[in-house]
Amino acid sequence: DTGVSQDPRHKITKRGQNVTFRCDPISEHNRLYWYRQTLGQGPEFLTYFQNEAQLEKSRLLSDRFSAERPKGSFSTLEIQRTEQGDSAMYLCASSPRDRRALGAEQYFGPGTRLTVT
Amino acid sequence: AQSVSQHNHHVILSEAASLELGCNYSYGGTVNLFWYVQYPGQHLQLLLKYFSGDPLVKGIKGFEAEFIKSKFSFNLRKPSVQWSDTAEYFCASDAGNMLTFGGGTRLMVKP
Repeated sequence: DTGVSQDPRHKITKRGQNVTFRCDPISEHNRLYWYRQTLGQGPEFLTYFQNEAQLEKSRLLSDRFSAERPKGSFSTLEIQRTEQGDSAMYLCASSPRDRRALGAEQYFGPGTRLTVT
Repeated sequence: AQSVSQHNHHVILSEAASLELGCNYSYGGTVNLFWYVQYPGQHLQLLLKYFSGDPLVKGIKGFEAEFIKSKFSFNLRKPSVQWSDTAEYFCASDAGNMLTFGGGTRLMVKP
């Protein structure tokens, strides 16, 4: 499978615990994006990387959220001290080098569904 | 800030009916526009995209969309829907480095 993969697919955690999600983009894509989707809503942008550089992080929902892409390949999204309001689907997407070139759309993974009890 | 509005939250059609889903975006500059589809239990997939050029764009599975700059619209159309088109449809704009999505339209096609 050469698509975007995410792990785990489902995560149940207790309030106050930390969680970390992983995303593996399509191998030749240098841009990687994180989104959050709550029930009945469209995905909401969180942050993105170009290679290992995090170029936009002002949309992260709070300082409890952080993301890394240390070697410019896979990425992790961490939520510290989870709250019930963090329950959502967390989506990862990747795109090739030039987003304005033909075909430079974002390809989405299956998501990680987080439930905070 | 960008915003995207989808006017219909739920649409129910019979097979062979024509489909038009509305989408309006707020950004006044150069923007890329997309329609994504999410079939039950599956991840978001691209239906079609507009970057520039011909404002009528054709996508997969017989879908098309028309970019009307003066109306800030990018409506999705299909002349004859099938039961397999049952899904949630999302319009999105990209004017920078992120996608801004509309709230989605749930389409149910009755056989």
